[in-house]
Amino acid sequence: GESVGLHLPTLSVQEGDNSIINCAYSNSASDYFIWYKQESGKGPQFIIDIRSNMDKRQGQRVTVLLNKTVKHLSLQIAATQPGDSAVYFCAENKEGNKLVFGAGTILRVKS
Amino acid sequence: DAGVIQSPRHEVTEMGQEVTLRCKPISGHDYLFWYRQTMMRGLELLIYFNNNVPIDDSGMPEDRFSAKMPNASFSTLKIQPSEPRDSAVYFCASSRRGGYTFGSGTRLTVV
Repeated sequence: GESVGLHLPTLSVQEGDNSIINCAYSNSASDYFIWYKQESGKGPQFIIDIRSNMDKRQGQRVTVLLNKTVKHLSLQIAATQPGDSAVYFCAENKEGNKLVFGAGTILRVKS
Repeated sequence: DAGVIQSPRHEVTEMGQEVTLRCKPISGHDYLFWYRQTMMRGLELLIYFNNNVPIDDSGMPEDRFSAKMPNASFSTLKIQPSEPRDSAVYFCASSRRGGYTFGSGTRLTVV
């Protein structure tokens, strides 16, 4: 039978290229945002976070950009590798310490 | 640091049976979260605790679900009676001043 579920957007990139994954958040009062990576059969793994008083933060091969005006968050991965293939989630900290996740984006890296 | 530890990793049970999922948070973390992940609804926050006290249980789907945190190093999520639609992966996460860390999850199948 036909499977029903969330239709996650998929980003396919060539190994070595840069990847940009986007996320829109809902609450203008959210003050803390996190990107997670989830590989098959595993729990979400922290990648990078950013607070609302910043608009950019860099880590190793990853950069997060925050645009509060349009409530948009992006994750940039430089020189994407096959091991980066996973589902990526943005999460926002709402109402105190409550972390709420977006639907996720599938990243597929072609060798 | 062993991270967030969940047990069991897999659970298969018959409809109507009681199911108990267990979580040991990271030592020193004062927040604990229970999430459920399904294809239909993604990652949903069920309940979270601060210093062993339930703060927000608005995500708990029904009275069949209950969660406890008797001390800082242990929490349980109980489903009684279980139904096939409870089949999902259940994650526990803990945090201190942000920095949420997830366990590997319990895959629950109710037949």
